[in-house]
Amino acid sequence: AQKITQTQPGMFVQEKEAVTLDCTYDTSDQSYGLFWYKQPSSGEMIFLIYQGSYDEQNATEGRYSLNFQKARKSANLVISASQLGDSAMYFCAMRSIIQGAQKLVFGQGTRLTINP
Amino acid sequence: DTGVSQDPRHKITKRGQNVTFRCDPISEHNRLYWYRQTLGQGPEFLTYFQNEAQLEKSRLLSDRFSAERPKGSFSTLEIQRTEQGDSAMYLCASSLGWTGMNEQYFGPGTRLTVT
Repeated sequence: AQKITQTQPGMFVQEKEAVTLDCTYDTSDQSYGLFWYKQPSSGEMIFLIYQGSYDEQNATEGRYSLNFQKARKSANLVISASQLGDSAMYFCAMRSIIQGAQKLVFGQGTRLTINP
Repeated sequence: DTGVSQDPRHKITKRGQNVTFRCDPISEHNRLYWYRQTLGQGPEFLTYFQNEAQLEKSRLLSDRFSAERPKGSFSTLEIQRTEQGDSAMYLCASSLGWTGMNEQYFGPGTRLTVT
């Protein structure tokens, strides 16, 4: 079974600072993908970044980067130069990459608040 | 480019009533997913379609729940004899692709309140 653990229920950061959101995972699969989603108060899940288990380089997407440490089974999200609009819930998720396995398994989320 | 849409956005119903939700995926996406999200939790997988075939169902999907995707386009999720424990946000997502990232795009959700 796959499991995602996000140990930070809430994070408070000053605007323009960098923030790291923690995510650890557990799986017996060799091939898997790790995702981060943002959920604003409006409720819609917004895809941010993806890391494949065999990707040798950490993924980056604009201000988002994923600090992937496979041996430690961690996939932390780093947001650089935080903005007020980054305030939201953030979810880490994983998916097995084998034929027929499509569901995402989510963690409990971290609520990020950016203070002006 | 329209995203995933869901209707209704909010539904209030009395315990014991039946409710039906609709999801329209991104037009070229062949895969459609339903998730349920309760307050303070991450989304939990319910079921998934590839075209019109329902390929996986979670144990969370009791006999009172049924999902269809009759022509491989829109999907409906019906809950019969609703219970207070069914109160949650029901999220629909769609994707295109076979391996790798296969990013899922989510709709705005339908918030169900059972009184």
